[in-house]
Amino acid sequence: GQNIDQPTEMTATEGAIVQINCTYQTSGFNGLFWYQQHAGEAPTFLSYNVLDGLEEKGRFSSFLSRSKGYSYLLLKELQMKDSASYLCAVKDSNYQLIWGAGTKLIIKP
Amino acid sequence: GAVVSQHPSWVICKSGTSVKIECRSLDFQATTMFWYRQFPKQSLMLMATSNEGSKATYEQGVEKDKFLINHASLTLSTLTVTSAHPEDSSFYICSAASRGEAQPQHFGDGTRLSIL
Repeated sequence: GQNIDQPTEMTATEGAIVQINCTYQTSGFNGLFWYQQHAGEAPTFLSYNVLDGLEEKGRFSSFLSRSKGYSYLLLKELQMKDSASYLCAVKDSNYQLIWGAGTKLIIKP
Repeated sequence: GAVVSQHPSWVICKSGTSVKIECRSLDFQATTMFWYRQFPKQSLMLMATSNEGSKATYEQGVEKDKFLINHASLTLSTLTVTSAHPEDSSFYICSAASRGEAQPQHFGDGTRLSIL
């Protein structure tokens, strides 16, 4: 079966750095996406990785290792508004997007 | 860019009513649109995928006669919840993607449906 694993919940301090991990087992791989979803709102696109390595976008970076079936989202200089759920999603060989259950990130002052 | 508009944002209606939700891609052509449902504190559940001009593909367990999807143009898809009942109350979210493997899905703001 297809599976995406992420921690259910993480807590971090304002101004700090946090890394949210995602491991996947899918039938094929055609890219990995990270989305942010605030409570009661729809998800918003953060990043896309299809090749191994690190993609940096301001305070957010996303890393991919295809051989390990592993990705992480790195958030730097955390702000209170970063409190949200972070969803990892993988496109499989049929280009279907398989969603993780999301990681709820709680930022404390 | 990549704006998806979803209407209405909130619906409250009586049991047995049919509700139509619209999803529009405002500044790009959406070759594929997706409909999701999300219950409180749960993950996104894909209901169906629709390509412009063809019939939607429904996920297992989703009743196609209850959730009617139309994707008549490259910028508009509609979901009609027919004869809605309280158990259909949920947060319905559409997303749209243009052609290309690297193209992300862009989400509408969602529709909160409450059936009394």
